[in-house]
Amino acid sequence: RKEVEQDPGPFNVPEGATVAFNCTYSNSASQSFFWYRQDCRKEPKLLMSVYSSGNEDGRFTAQLNRASQYISLLIRDSKLSDSATYLCVVKGGATNKLIFGTGTLLAVQP
Amino acid sequence: DAGVIQSPRHEVTEMGQEVTLRCKPISGHNSLFWYRQTMMRGLELLIYFNNNVPIDDSGMPEDRFSAKMPNASFSTLKIQPSEPRDSAVYFCASSTLATGSNEQFFGPGTRLTVL
Repeated sequence: RKEVEQDPGPFNVPEGATVAFNCTYSNSASQSFFWYRQDCRKEPKLLMSVYSSGNEDGRFTAQLNRASQYISLLIRDSKLSDSATYLCVVKGGATNKLIFGTGTLLAVQP
Repeated sequence: DAGVIQSPRHEVTEMGQEVTLRCKPISGHNSLFWYRQTMMRGLELLIYFNNNVPIDDSGMPEDRFSAKMPNASFSTLKIQPSEPRDSAVYFCASSTLATGSNEQFFGPGTRLTVL
């Protein structure tokens, strides 16, 4: 079983739609959680951290459920520029090593 | 400020040749990571360094791969001899060890093709 699992998609949605991505992780000792975004043929970049109480950044909302070892990302009012691969990322306790999911591809269409 | 710098950006080589990938981390960062990305396996951590010291190389696929960090501003990943299955995008990333700072900044990657 992979340490971080995501639905690879693709998710094809119209502009203005709301879309949600889910991710599960296997290591219950994981301490920190993130969503990274990767555009086609580019490097990954941090989108947002995920906090236990849930957090929002504009149109993006991230949630964490430690009991179920589950992370989510909600994008409201999606834009064409949101088209990218979204990577779920988990960090262990004592190490600064990040474990990346294989990513979920989002295609927002006009 | 310059981000993480990688060279070359593209490399095409023949099976059996030696390949050296280079990385300059962001100034002041004291952790450096080498990743490999393929369609099949996604982004995999190969090795990482803290303060120029290798901490975890469990992701290095085999002895053909080696990595060094002779100083805080330079690292290399070497493949010798290269094989077609090594074809992938290799990313270098850097971060600080400061408490609460977890963001890793990635370089643009080296796209390696082994024929």
